[in-house]
Amino acid sequence: SYVLTQPPSVSVAPGQTARIPCGGNNFETKRVHWYQQKPGQAPVLVVYDDSGRPSRIPERFSGSNSGTTATLTISGVEAGDEADYYCHVWDSSSDVVFGGGTKLTVL
Amino acid sequence: QVHLVESGGGVVQPGRSLRLSCAASGFSAYGIHWVRQAPGKGLDWVAVISHDGRNTYYAQSVKGRFSISRDNSKSTVYLEMNSLRPEDTAVYYCASDPGIAAAGPTEYFQHWGQGTLVTVSS
Repeated sequence: SYVLTQPPSVSVAPGQTARIPCGGNNFETKRVHWYQQKPGQAPVLVVYDDSGRPSRIPERFSGSNSGTTATLTISGVEAGDEADYYCHVWDSSSDVVFGGGTKLTVL
Repeated sequence: QVHLVESGGGVVQPGRSLRLSCAASGFSAYGIHWVRQAPGKGLDWVAVISHDGRNTYYAQSVKGRFSISRDNSKSTVYLEMNSLRPEDTAVYYCASDPGIAAAGPTEYFQHWGQGTLVTVSS
């Protein structure tokens, strides 16, 4: 089955840039999506199709896909960005696949 | 924008059944998914139904036990869960597809409801 690998945690100081990686095979054929989930809340889509950003999401959030790794980048990190972040792809053999999630801590 | 509200969660004994509902505004043009999250765990996709209800797809872990349906006249999607197991314990979210989802869960989850908790325990 297809697997997405995320680091369990990433820490960054306020105002700095956070980069959250998501690894998988054959990423050049995948479209990667990202969700933010704050404690006790439902997930929120922050990036779709590798680098698309929903209208209500700040420009500080961006995504990229190098073909081997997808990365969610949060510029000018704020305390309110502290959350769990999940990457997601669709695979023809495994259907929906989520990464294990990365907890972003703002120091 | 689609607004989703889940209901129907609760405590149920193993082997019993439960039906969840997802009421939505402006949703008849979109596929609707159920995604669950066990306590302290990650996200787990459960099922999707196409905009017109003709196509349904399920995760292997629930195939044959869960059934998704929709009533567009009531703007509601249902998840009928049978033969429940302790490992089905989770918060269940409904989420909208950006398209009609006729080909299955190939897209992303655009809008999410607030979730409803299902606890399977004796």
